[in-house]
Amino acid sequence: EVQLVESGGGLVKPGSSLKLSCVASGFTFSSYGMHWIRQAPKKGLEWIALIYYDSSNKYYADSVKGRFTISRDNSKNTLYLEMNSLRSEDTAMYYCANGVTWGQGTLVTVSS
Amino acid sequence: DIVMTQTPSSQAVSAGEKVTMSCKSSQSLLYSENKKNYLAWYQQKPGQSPKLLISWASTRESGVPDRFIGSGSGTDFTLTISSVQAEDLAVYYCEQYYDTPLTFGSGTKLEIK
Repeated sequence: EVQLVESGGGLVKPGSSLKLSCVASGFTFSSYGMHWIRQAPKKGLEWIALIYYDSSNKYYADSVKGRFTISRDNSKNTLYLEMNSLRSEDTAMYYCANGVTWGQGTLVTVSS
Repeated sequence: DIVMTQTPSSQAVSAGEKVTMSCKSSQSLLYSENKKNYLAWYQQKPGQSPKLLISWASTRESGVPDRFIGSGSGTDFTLTISSVQAEDLAVYYCEQYYDTPLTFGSGTKLEIK
């Protein structure tokens, strides 16, 4: 069974940093491009980052470019999202996805 | 960026009825080299993460009931549920993966009368 399990969310203050993880199982992680997508409370879906299967290419939404970094460790079947200079508007559920399956999400709340 | 426009924003139907929802993109999602439309439909039930229903505009994912039908090409796409069931209560999103940034429509909320 394909599974994606996110972790690392929490309550942080504006300007803080946080690193999210997504552990994959049930498929060949190293063969798939991986995404981070977020959903603010009661809002729609916003794609924020993509990393190719071999980390050769990374793409970001303008809203997070320069502040967030996507990375992966294929030896650990793990995807990461490093988030710096967090703002209140970054408050959301953060999902990882392999293009087919999504995880259950991890909640990030940015508030003073 | 490619803008995805979904209509209606919400719709209420009775079980057994047919429902259609629209998704329009600001530019064509049809890639000429492979004749594929880079358009997906997701279902998000209350309290759950989104689930991929349809990719390539009309290809149902494994296990998705055949009452879910995706159609359209270019810039105009439709998701049809041929006979709505109570468990279809959800928000439905379209997404284009033709180009980065990937973009989603604002969703159609399906309510069951």
